[in-house]
Amino acid sequence: DSGVTQTPKHLITATGQRVTLRCSPRSGDLSVYWYQQSLDQGLQFLIHYYNGEERAKGNILERFSAQQFPDLHSELNLSSLELGDSALYFCASSVGTSGAQDTQYFGPGTRLTVL
Amino acid sequence: GQQLNQSPQSMFIQEGEDVSMNCTSSSIFNTWLWYKQDPGEGPVLLIALYKAGELTSNGRLTAQFGITRKDSFLNISASIPSDVGIYFCAGHRQGAQKLVFGQGTRLTINP
Repeated sequence: DSGVTQTPKHLITATGQRVTLRCSPRSGDLSVYWYQQSLDQGLQFLIHYYNGEERAKGNILERFSAQQFPDLHSELNLSSLELGDSALYFCASSVGTSGAQDTQYFGPGTRLTVL
Repeated sequence: GQQLNQSPQSMFIQEGEDVSMNCTSSSIFNTWLWYKQDPGEGPVLLIALYKAGELTSNGRLTAQFGITRKDSFLNISASIPSDVGIYFCAGHRQGAQKLVFGQGTRLTINP
């Protein structure tokens, strides 16, 4: 158990809908990272928040947004869902934000299926 | 996005055999990490490397941070059935917030 929790574990929805994925980081970690993992793309970095502020963006679509709340949990919002958005979405957390020696620990993931 | 070159993509071995996989990059990395992912689960950190030349073990696993800082390898000795899964390398380039991942090595063990 990494100490990172994600809910829900599974989510099935229809195209055009909007969903919210939730992540709680490990106790003491200020950084939260979101990743998307699909069969043909591997692990793709989406976005990074540190202590409530956005720090870096990766390959995140405009239909997707995220935020980190004062209690440090984070939510990833996916809207106007398309079939291609079906994937595993992982959250990871780390203590700081410096990159090196700031190890990321992953949650169990949310499997999103868009029908 | 940028990814590390991880090889091999898949391995089929007999139980008890040793395993070796590696990651290379054209860029210099300050950190190398090795993760294992079981089906439907999140990646679990196995070994973290922070210095060029560093050799670190975790049980039957050994990983090294290449001297050039552009590569790393992971060895698994005397493989057992629970070693089955996908192994990912990952790294941080200096000053980068983003963790870059390899494509993964899928390990299958025949009993």
